[in-house]
Amino acid sequence: EPEVTQTPSHQVTQMGQEVILRCVPISNHLYFYWYRQILGQKVEFLVSFYNNEISEKSEIFDDRFSVERPDGSNFTLKIRSTKLEDSAMYFCASIYESTDTQYFGPGTRLTVL
Amino acid sequence: AQKVTQAQTEISVVEKEDVTLDCVYETRDTTYYLFWYKQPPSGELVFLIRRNSFDEQNEISGRYSWNFQKSTSSFNFTITASQVVDSAVYFCALINGNNAGNMLTFGGGTRLMVKP
Repeated sequence: EPEVTQTPSHQVTQMGQEVILRCVPISNHLYFYWYRQILGQKVEFLVSFYNNEISEKSEIFDDRFSVERPDGSNFTLKIRSTKLEDSAMYFCASIYESTDTQYFGPGTRLTVL
Repeated sequence: AQKVTQAQTEISVVEKEDVTLDCVYETRDTTYYLFWYKQPPSGELVFLIRRNSFDEQNEISGRYSWNFQKSTSSFNFTITASQVVDSAVYFCALINGNNAGNMLTFGGGTRLMVKP
């Protein structure tokens, strides 16, 4: 059964650096999402992406964040000028139709030191 | 705006006990979808069930059952004869049908600890 994959599983970076989190959605899916979960807290929506543009974004998704689907298979989340409070688990999800169930990748744990 | 509330932050039971996890939601839309996800200690989010707002039929899957009641805006999850492997954080979530981005709104989660 196809799965969403994410790399790396764990990323450690220094405050102020840029990071790119990578996701490979399921191949025929059209809608893509990033969520984050600060340790011990609930899962929060960051951004949705459809037809090569952002559909919705949350307040968390400030101008340090960007998403891209560079090559038709990868879906990336870039965070510039990382802050300590960006430390969290980041989950990617994809779906084919807008009301489908979102299946999540295994997550990338980002640690900002 | 939509909201999901899981009032129970932590529940501890002994193996073989039945346990119910509560979920209350708020939405102004008439079309919406409700979900439960399991997050085991390994950290991934595992889909358990999805219901749409027009289907109030309760569902049973093995030891798991779900009770959806629109009158009380609740979508509760019961585990019968709990097992140690059920220990996890369980999240209830909602998507509004008219939401262009169709993002999931999660509740705060309930940590279930099943002791042997």
